[in-house]
Amino acid sequence: EVQLVESGGGLVQPGGSLRLSCAASGFTFTGYWMSWVRQAPGKGLEWVANINHDGGESHYVDSMKGRFTIFRDNAKNSLYLQMISLRAEDTAVYYCARLRWLHPNWYFDLWGRGTLVTVSS
Amino acid sequence: QSVLTQPPSVSGAPGHRVTISCTGSRSNIGAGYDVHWYQQVPGTAPKLLIYGNINRPSGVPDRFSGSKSGTSASLAITGLQAEDEADYYCQSYDSSLSGVFGGGTKLTVL
Repeated sequence: EVQLVESGGGLVQPGGSLRLSCAASGFTFTGYWMSWVRQAPGKGLEWVANINHDGGESHYVDSMKGRFTIFRDNAKNSLYLQMISLRAEDTAVYYCARLRWLHPNWYFDLWGRGTLVTVSS
Repeated sequence: QSVLTQPPSVSGAPGHRVTISCTGSRSNIGAGYDVHWYQQVPGTAPKLLIYGNINRPSGVPDRFSGSKSGTSASLAITGLQAEDEADYYCQSYDSSLSGVFGGGTKLTVL
């Protein structure tokens, strides 16, 4: 079955760190760019970051540059998001998504169920 | 404040037609960038509905259609069904090198 399964969310204190994981299955992971998209409680979707096939190129929304790092391990068919200096406003469900290019634009054709990150003391 | 503007809510009776607008600017939709649409049933992951302004992925009913003109795009749903009740999001690309979403529209089937 083609699917993405996120894990690693939880409660973290402000200023803390967390690493999210996304396990991909059912498709050739190395053939796709991948992304993280988040959704704050009761709010809309927000693109976080993209990474290319081999992990050599990545892009971030400006507000998260320097705090979030997207990376992948193709041997494990896994995508990750390392988050540091977390703030209350980072509280959200974080979705792993498969990216498809429609140059220079992109869209997401496969989504995981998400993992909830709560930043609170 | 989202870069792409959508109405917070729309509603329609079963069998009727509704449209959801997505308004951008010259730095995104108006610059020629494609618009994509997602459906999200509350508590579940988003699902791709329309890509490249008008294209439906396999499995999406032809009751759903997309269009784009100038700095705006629209999603039309005909023959409304109870299962269409969900949140709908548009997405495009902005010249600031960023992927951007609309704020979302809640569709209520009366």
